[in-house]
Amino acid sequence: KAGVTQTPRYLIKTRGQQVTLSCSPISGHRSVSWYQQTPGQGLQFLFEYFSETQRNKGNFPGRFSGRQFSNSRSEMNVSTLELGDSALYLCASSRGGADNSPLHFGNGTRLTVT
Amino acid sequence: QQQVKQSPQSLIVQKGGISIINCAYENTAFDYFPWYQQFPGKGPALLIAIRPDVSEKKEGRFTISFNKSAKQFSLHIMDSQPGDSATYFCAASTGYQKVTFGTGTKLQVIP
Repeated sequence: KAGVTQTPRYLIKTRGQQVTLSCSPISGHRSVSWYQQTPGQGLQFLFEYFSETQRNKGNFPGRFSGRQFSNSRSEMNVSTLELGDSALYLCASSRGGADNSPLHFGNGTRLTVT
Repeated sequence: QQQVKQSPQSLIVQKGGISIINCAYENTAFDYFPWYQQFPGKGPALLIAIRPDVSEKKEGRFTISFNKSAKQFSLHIMDSQPGDSATYFCAASTGYQKVTFGTGTKLQVIP
C-alpha cells in the first residue's frame, strides 16, 4: 500500500508570494490533516479535512487555507508569504472516524521564504 | 488547556541504557495518547499508543507508563540502541483526529 505522498519536497519562495502544497493520502483514508513543524515549536496543527469538509482548525491566520477533493487528495495554500512561514509542512492521513485511528504522515514539504 | 508539555528537549543515552521521555497534559478530555518517532528527512511515524484505562503498555523495548491522576505519561526505551536516535513526540487526542503534539525530544544514543 502506497504511503502518504507530498509534493513538492522543497520550495523556495519570496515574501509576499503565495504557495500551494499537495498531499495524496493513503488509499481508503478519508481524513487529511496538515501540520507546520518548526524547530522548538514541534508540530502545530493547521487544519483537518474529512470528506471534503474542514472539520477541525488550528490557530493560524486566514492566510493559511486548504481544501480536499472528492478523491481525498488535499491541497494547502499560503498567501502573502512571510519569513516566519519557513517550515516543514506535514500532511497526515487517517481513516478519520471517531476512534482515534493513527495518523500516517508524509515526508513533508520544506518551504523556505526569502 | 490544549497543551501537551514534553521534557527533556534533548537526551543523550549510552547504548544499552534506558531512555525516558516525560509528558504532561491539562485537558482531561484527552482519551488517546500516542507517541511518534521521527527520523531526519522523514515524517513522524506512530510508535506506540495508550488509552487512559490502562496504566502501562509495552511493545518490545518500548513502554508507555500512564498516570491518570497526575495527568502524566512517559515513554521508556529499554536497551537503547543507536538506531533509536530520532526525535520523539508525545501527543494527546480527543478523537476525530484532533491531535495535540508535544514539542519533541531529540534522542541520541551513543555507542
